[in-house]
Amino acid sequence: LAKTTQPISMDSYEGQEVNITCSHNNIATNDYITWYQQFPSQGPRFIIQGYKTKVTNEVASLFIPADRKSSTLSLPRVSLSDTAVYYCLVVFSGGYQKVTFGTGTKLQVIP
Amino acid sequence: NAGVMQNPRHLVRRRGQEARLRCSPMKGHSHVYWYRQLPEEGLKFMVYLQKENIIDESGMPKERFSAEFPKEGPSILRIQQVVRGDSAAYFCASSPWKGMNTEAFFGQGTRLTVV
Repeated sequence: LAKTTQPISMDSYEGQEVNITCSHNNIATNDYITWYQQFPSQGPRFIIQGYKTKVTNEVASLFIPADRKSSTLSLPRVSLSDTAVYYCLVVFSGGYQKVTFGTGTKLQVIP
Repeated sequence: NAGVMQNPRHLVRRRGQEARLRCSPMKGHSHVYWYRQLPEEGLKFMVYLQKENIIDESGMPKERFSAEFPKEGPSILRIQQVVRGDSAAYFCASSPWKGMNTEAFFGQGTRLTVV
């Protein structure tokens, strides 16, 4: 199972772009990088998933370099409602493999 | 299509009592995952079930904890003889196929407090 490492916390002002980097040095060929968001007292919510290069959706962008040993979640122009914990996961695409969330990155958006 | 429904949202039990947590997956989803989250910690995998089968229970404590996902009805996580250390948020997720993939959705969780 690929282990992930990400900052414990980050602060950002409203309107700024936030980049959260995750390391996953032992990622395997069949693994995808997946990010979840969790608000207080709620279950995690899927944000974005990618395999390589860049993926963008209406919520975020995900940048993955060629060696895939790290990835960066980019949140454009954050607002107070983006205050949450963000989890980086490495998910096996070939079927079932146990997934455990780390402690994630606690993002605090400041007015 | 309703999301993953968990009930109750909050459950208070005295030490020694039993706790039953229910998870109704999204329509069409036959794979259920249970996770436990202690305050200020990430989610820890407990068990993965398909309809009528336990596939992976490697994260479940050997004693007092059990899970089922019957052919009809919700998945149940059962904790017997609860202790203070069982106080946590318990989340379930469901998906239409194996793995924590893009189609996996989490419920709102059940917050268990043992007094």
